[in-house]
Amino acid sequence: DTEVTQTPKHLVMGMTNKKSLKCEQHMGHRAMYWYKQKAKKPPELMFVYSYEKLSINESVPSRFSPECPNSSLLNLHLHALQPEDSALYLCASSQAPQGADTQYFGPGTRLTVL
Amino acid sequence: GQNIDQPTEMTATEGAIVQINCTYQTSGFNGLFWYQQHAAEAPTFLSYNVLDGLEEKGRFSSFLSRSKGYSYLLLKELQMKDSASYLCAVRDLRGSQGNLIFGKGTKLSVKP
Repeated sequence: DTEVTQTPKHLVMGMTNKKSLKCEQHMGHRAMYWYKQKAKKPPELMFVYSYEKLSINESVPSRFSPECPNSSLLNLHLHALQPEDSALYLCASSQAPQGADTQYFGPGTRLTVL
Repeated sequence: GQNIDQPTEMTATEGAIVQINCTYQTSGFNGLFWYQQHAAEAPTFLSYNVLDGLEEKGRFSSFLSRSKGYSYLLLKELQMKDSASYLCAVRDLRGSQGNLIFGKGTKLSVKP
């Protein structure tokens, strides 16, 4: 089983809203990732969690706030977003950040900010 | 710095063979991945190379030459469902982390 699940599939929010994206995996993976993908562009890394600790933040604005409550769950809290933040948000996980570990992606949340 | 290049678009015929090339420059190379991504869907893992040579998996094969900074994905017996974007991604070691740096993707159109 190489399944990563994400909810919701689609999200529309206003610039003053607060919402959260959720990601879950039950493969025992200890590294989890958030990517942002705009149309016709490759995924861009936002955050990496390694053993439930934030290990990489790719200079992401503070209106995006990640959280890793346990080894299976990864959240992305959204607040005061801008229309240009509209994108597909992908979660991925891998066995561990080091070594030859494949990242498996969830289906993504398509976010529209009005 | 990192740089990954792959063609933007390719077209091929159903039943044919197509080769998608990827060249890369990175300071901390630790493996190259190919992903398939259909429109509005998540990337799906296809193959992984860390040593030189060819990895075969059914209709898909991937080749790596580390000295040349070069890889290709070979798709045989093309099917219409193979129409998708193919992303080349390099694992870049940054400290103890192994993060993926994606190329811009090659959009493959398979025609009857």
